[in-house]
Amino acid sequence: DAGVIQSPRHEVTEMGQEVTLRCKPISGHNSLFWYRQTMMRGLELLIYFNNNVPIDDSGMPEDRFSAKMPNASFSTLKIQPSEPRDSAVYFCASTRDTTNEKLFFGSGTQLSVL
Amino acid sequence: GNSVTQMEGPVTLSEEAFLTINCTYTATGYPSLFWYVQYPGEGLQLLLKATKADDKGSNKGFEATYRKETTSFHLEKGSVQVSDSAVYFCALSGPSGSRLTFGEGTQLTVNP
Repeated sequence: DAGVIQSPRHEVTEMGQEVTLRCKPISGHNSLFWYRQTMMRGLELLIYFNNNVPIDDSGMPEDRFSAKMPNASFSTLKIQPSEPRDSAVYFCASTRDTTNEKLFFGSGTQLSVL
Repeated sequence: GNSVTQMEGPVTLSEEAFLTINCTYTATGYPSLFWYVQYPGEGLQLLLKATKADDKGSNKGFEATYRKETTSFHLEKGSVQVSDSAVYFCALSGPSGSRLTFGEGTQLTVNP
């Protein structure tokens, strides 16, 4: 199994630019999660999908952030416009566990907004 | 709401030392408890879990016991190795289908 695949691995952009992060969950997993990790705030859940439907987006910081899951094998997290305070590592995770307890994480996208 | 509190890091130990990383939680009902580990440059991965009071989760020499009376789930290992250097996250889950709540993470460095 290839695991959860995220791209890009690193992204450096300038303030105001649009950023799109991509995730391919493990085949057969029906829940997908986007997390953000920073030194100050630790690991924060941004949004999670079940069967491609957003279930809880209460962690999305503001309207600049949006996430989509057009099919079972692909999800995007978009930031438009980006700001320096968005700099963080963004993780995607998936599971087929109905209790959403055993998550499989990707290697993350290190985002730097200058 | 649910919350998890971990001992502050970083923790630095010599190889073969005994490790304890404290974790306490606040939750409604009877959550499942977890330890996840994040190795440098990687995503988190499940290390061990316990689903009810007095259960002991174990994996790779690590252990943690679900203590309902003290609302704790401390991680222990009798003899750490350099390869155990990582960030360790305590987490809990609520009712079925709800999301995991993670602690702040504790950085462990093991020196040879």
